Amino acid sequence: DVKVTQSSRYLVKRTGEKVFLECVQDMDHENMFWYRQDPGLGLRLIYFSYDVKMKEKGDIPEGYSVSREKKERFSLILESASTNQTSMYLCASSFWGEAFFGQGTRLTVV
Amino acid sequence: AQTVTQSQPEMSVQEAETVTLSCTYDTSESDYYLFWYKQPPSRQMILVIRQEAYKQQNATENRFSVNFQKAAKSFSLKISDSQLGDAAMYFCAYRSDNTDKLIFGTGTRLQVFP
Repeated sequence: DVKVTQSSRYLVKRTGEKVFLECVQDMDHENMFWYRQDPGLGLRLIYFSYDVKMKEKGDIPEGYSVSREKKERFSLILESASTNQTSMYLCASSFWGEAFFGQGTRLTVV
Repeated sequence: AQTVTQSQPEMSVQEAETVTLSCTYDTSESDYYLFWYKQPPSRQMILVIRQEAYKQQNATENRFSVNFQKAAKSFSLKISDSQLGDAAMYFCAYRSDNTDKLIFGTGTRLQVFP
């Protein structure tokens, strides 16, 4: 079975902190994604990567950056966390159009 | 740009009954894919069913089936013989033929009553 693992299920950070959300997949997929999930807004794409060191902005990239140094790992970085970044973050990888999701990280910025 | 609309924030159904969740989308593309994902309280997104736009036949997976109306840009999910374990958030999603990026609707929370 494909496994997409997010390093934390719950995270509490302070305003202004630099925050790293880590995601690892074990199936050698080229494509990886970070989505943000908010009530009433569904899932929105923050960034995606189609290969190592390759990345593209999604629909809501402001305040975020990403890193993909190895194929299996895709990190989402909040350079200076703000309270409006309190949300659920979902990582996914895909192959030939089929997406596999992690269990999400619920981030609270206080 | 493509959009996906789910107009029912919440739905409820009695166990063993049938419920239909609505989804409409907007696109100018002719080749694309549509999906229904289930997100239970565990938060793990699970693919329920997928439909290729070029296929006229509606997809079916056990108790789950879709009504795909390409001209009307409608993609509803029917759950038959509802079970308590069907209670979850359901998301409709769209994918263009040339990308793996998914565009999601806002979700429908389904409650199942015994």
